[in-house]
Amino acid sequence: QQQVKQSPQSLIVQKGGISIINCAYENTAFDYFPWYQQFPGKGPALLIAIRPDVSEKKEGRFTISFNKSAKQFSLHIMDSQPGDSATYFCAASWTGGFKTIFGAGTRLFVKA
Amino acid sequence: DADVTQTPRNRITKTGKRIMLECSQTKGHDRMYWYRQDPGLGLQLIYYSFDVKDINKGEISDGYSVSRQAQAKFSLSLESAIPNQTALYFCATRGSGNNEQFFGPGTRLTVL
Repeated sequence: QQQVKQSPQSLIVQKGGISIINCAYENTAFDYFPWYQQFPGKGPALLIAIRPDVSEKKEGRFTISFNKSAKQFSLHIMDSQPGDSATYFCAASWTGGFKTIFGAGTRLFVKA
Repeated sequence: DADVTQTPRNRITKTGKRIMLECSQTKGHDRMYWYRQDPGLGLQLIYYSFDVKDINKGEISDGYSVSRQAQAKFSLSLESAIPNQTALYFCATRGSGNNEQFFGPGTRLTVL
């Protein structure tokens, strides 16, 4: 199975709050799990990525938590800001492969 | 200058017309992709190409064709456009040995 299931579809968070987006995958051959951020009128851009040999990766206010046994990973945005309002896509791919499988996307709105 | 460019950025056309969307890249990547984005469906792969001589169908290739004119150019054609092809279309590139995809700014296509 090559699906990546993402939830929620949309999310509203107060400024300063924590935004959490979840993804689940089925194919254990996946070994690269990125999150892409997309602003209106722009193409998606890589935000942060993790490989399955670590359980967490943090870059500034953005953290990926990875649970290999549950085949789940999540994006946490700490101290969410209005400028974080965007669509977020989780994805999965495998070394040597040529395709990236994307989740359906989460529209995040951070209220000022 | 942008690394991945798409033309046109917006296009309105009528049912039955032939449409070509163009993508150019200056990243020197061998892999190029065309995706379609619909609300709630994420990014669906239409076609992908490893090099000039290699073209592969993605999950939703029916009704579309592509041409890889050079390493830097990858065009998507709709031979006879229909209204349910109204969507955002993105071109992306990826270098060999690297999992990150680089997206163009997108083309918003409306078929009336």
